[in-house]
Amino acid sequence: AQKVTQAQTEISVVEKEDVTLDCVYETRDTTYYLFWYKQPPSGELVFLIRRNSFDEQNEISGRYSWNFQKSTSSFNFTITASQVVDSAVYFCALSEAVRGDYKLSFGAGTTVTVRA
Amino acid sequence: DTAVSQTPKYLVTQMGNDKSIKCEQNLGHDTMYWYKQDSKKFLKIMFSYNNKELIINETVPNRFSPKSPDKAHLNLHINSLELGDSAVYFCASSQGTSDEETQYFGPGTRLLVL
Repeated sequence: AQKVTQAQTEISVVEKEDVTLDCVYETRDTTYYLFWYKQPPSGELVFLIRRNSFDEQNEISGRYSWNFQKSTSSFNFTITASQVVDSAVYFCALSEAVRGDYKLSFGAGTTVTVRA
Repeated sequence: DTAVSQTPKYLVTQMGNDKSIKCEQNLGHDTMYWYKQDSKKFLKIMFSYNNKELIINETVPNRFSPKSPDKAHLNLHINSLELGDSAVYFCASSQGTSDEETQYFGPGTRLLVL
């Protein structure tokens, strides 16, 4: 069963539009961690944010904001006033403890294209 | 001063060959990982090592063998390469504790098996 679902495969917006990426996760653990990573066209995976299961505060970092709602098992990501440089594949991931180690389960990714 | 580095960046080889990918991290982390990203961009964990000990071994063919000579290095050796092994392989590292287990990724190795 898929643990992380990113229902949006592709999103295309015009520069300066806001874009929200949905992420729904599934876990039986009470302690877990959620992440967002960005993969630009150059291919590397860039860490954006980590949120632990006990911290439901929303977070804002510049044009990025994250909305964590435990009640709906969602961890959505919004880019405000998008720019061409935001074009990338964005991955949501869930980390659960496995025999003292942590394993990341990734969603399928959402490809964001920002047009000038 | 690269945090997680991988070599080579690109690897093109023939079916049946044996190849290795090297990974090094200078973050002082205790845990290292290998992930595979397929042609549809799906990322899946293959292995994790904590302080040179194998912790996670997903359902990966025996042709794949990780080796950790020390906690700063985790290499991936692949025997008898098959067409389906073509993918991008990412190494990652983390502190491995609950307080700080963010995984930081290397740049990836793009493997093409012909």
